[in-house]
Amino acid sequence: NAGVTQTPKFQVLKTGQSMTLQCAQDMNHNSMYWYRQDPGMGLRLIYYSASEGTTDKGEVPNGYNVSRLNKREFSLRLESAAPSQTSVYFCASTYTEAFFGQGTRLTVV
Amino acid sequence: SQQGEEDPQALSIQEGENATMNCSYKTSINNLQWYRQNSGRGLVHLILIRSNEREKHSGRLRVTLDTSKKSSSLLITASRAADTASYFCATDTGRRALTFGSGTRLQVQP
Repeated sequence: NAGVTQTPKFQVLKTGQSMTLQCAQDMNHNSMYWYRQDPGMGLRLIYYSASEGTTDKGEVPNGYNVSRLNKREFSLRLESAAPSQTSVYFCASTYTEAFFGQGTRLTVV
Repeated sequence: SQQGEEDPQALSIQEGENATMNCSYKTSINNLQWYRQNSGRGLVHLILIRSNEREKHSGRLRVTLDTSKKSSSLLITASRAADTASYFCATDTGRRALTFGSGTRLQVQP
C-alpha cells in the first residue's frame, strides 16, 4: 500500500520551461489536492479536486493548471515556469484526514 | 490569508519536558487536525478533533479545542529528541480543502 506517490522528487527548470508533476493515490479517495510550501508560509492550496472530473482553484492558482485524469491521478502543470514558482510541492488525498506525498522540490532558475 | 495560525513559530525544549503549541483560526469549522512534518518530508496526520469535542488524547498527545475562542492547543508530554519536527494545524470548514497554518518548529534537545 503506497499511499500517495509523487514524481519527480527533485527538478530544476529554466525560466519559461514547462513541466508536469505527477501524483497518484491508491486509497480510493475522492478528494485530491496540490499545495505549495514556501519557507515560513505553511502550505498554500493551489488547486483541488473534490471528485473525478472536477477541479477548483485554491488560494494561489495563477501559473498552474491541473488534470484529474481518473480517480487515482491528479497532475499539476506549469506551462511557463517562473522563479516565483520555486517551492516544494505536495500532493495530498483525503477522506477525512489528509495523506501526503513526499513532495517535489522545484527550483526555477 | 491563513485560516490557522500557530504560536509560537519556534520552540526549543529539553528532552522530557512538555511542549505546547497553539493554533488560532478565523471561521467556524467541522474539525481541526494536527500534522507533523519532519525535515524534507511530507506531512503526517497526528490527531483530529471535531467541533463538538473539547479534548482528545492519543498516546503522548493531548489536543484541546475552544470553539468560542476559535483556538486549539497541542500538548506533547515527555518530549523526545525524535519529536523534533514542524507541527501544523489544519482546519476543515466543510467548504473547501484543509487550510493549514504556518507551523511551529519544535526542537527537542537531548
